[in-house]
Amino acid sequence: KNQVEQSPQSLIILEGKNCTLQCNYTVSPFSNLRWYKQDTGRGPVSLTIMTFSENTKSNGRYTATLDADTKQSSLHITASQLSDSASYICVVSEWSGTASKLTFGTGTRLQVTL
Amino acid sequence: NAGVTQTPKFQVLKTGQSMTLQCAQDMNHEYMSWYRQDPGMGLRLIHYSVGAGITDQGEVPNGYNVSRSTTEDFPLRLLSAAPSQTSVYFCASSHTGRHTEAFFGQGTRLTVV
Repeated sequence: KNQVEQSPQSLIILEGKNCTLQCNYTVSPFSNLRWYKQDTGRGPVSLTIMTFSENTKSNGRYTATLDADTKQSSLHITASQLSDSASYICVVSEWSGTASKLTFGTGTRLQVTL
Repeated sequence: NAGVTQTPKFQVLKTGQSMTLQCAQDMNHEYMSWYRQDPGMGLRLIHYSVGAGITDQGEVPNGYNVSRSTTEDFPLRLLSAAPSQTSVYFCASSHTGRHTEAFFGQGTRLTVV
């Protein structure tokens, strides 16, 4: 069964610090890997999409890495801000030929404090 | 910049009642989908559509119906609500294509009592 596992489940860091979130997956065949940010009470918002050939992709203070051989990804947040407090969801996509099938992880809940 | 709009944001139903969750997008996206999000679980696909007049089942379709009469709208119908359908529902849309970004609505929190 295709699965996406994220760690840690939750994380508390001080404002200004860096952190790294992990994602392991067993989805096959692999099409791409996505990271989403979900604020409380809101829908997920896309941060990055990485294909098989991409190792690193940045979006401002967010940097995602992908190792397709070991089926691992990470999301690094630099110089965290209070507004980074949210759930971060790793999503792996399969391509059927007409539509992408998305498998969602359960997310890492990040809290940034003063 | 409306994007994906879901209504209502909150709803309480009694067991056995029916209702329709509305979803509309203004980005001319071909692909639309409905997910449910439950505590401790990843989002799960209920139904999806690759274009007007075309719908298909996802991972957890039982108890739900959909239709796609226009490109913009993709309503989700609960036929006879059950407590197990208490969840947060998200509608998403995207262009068809392998690496296209999916846009999500703000969600509908449904409680069935």
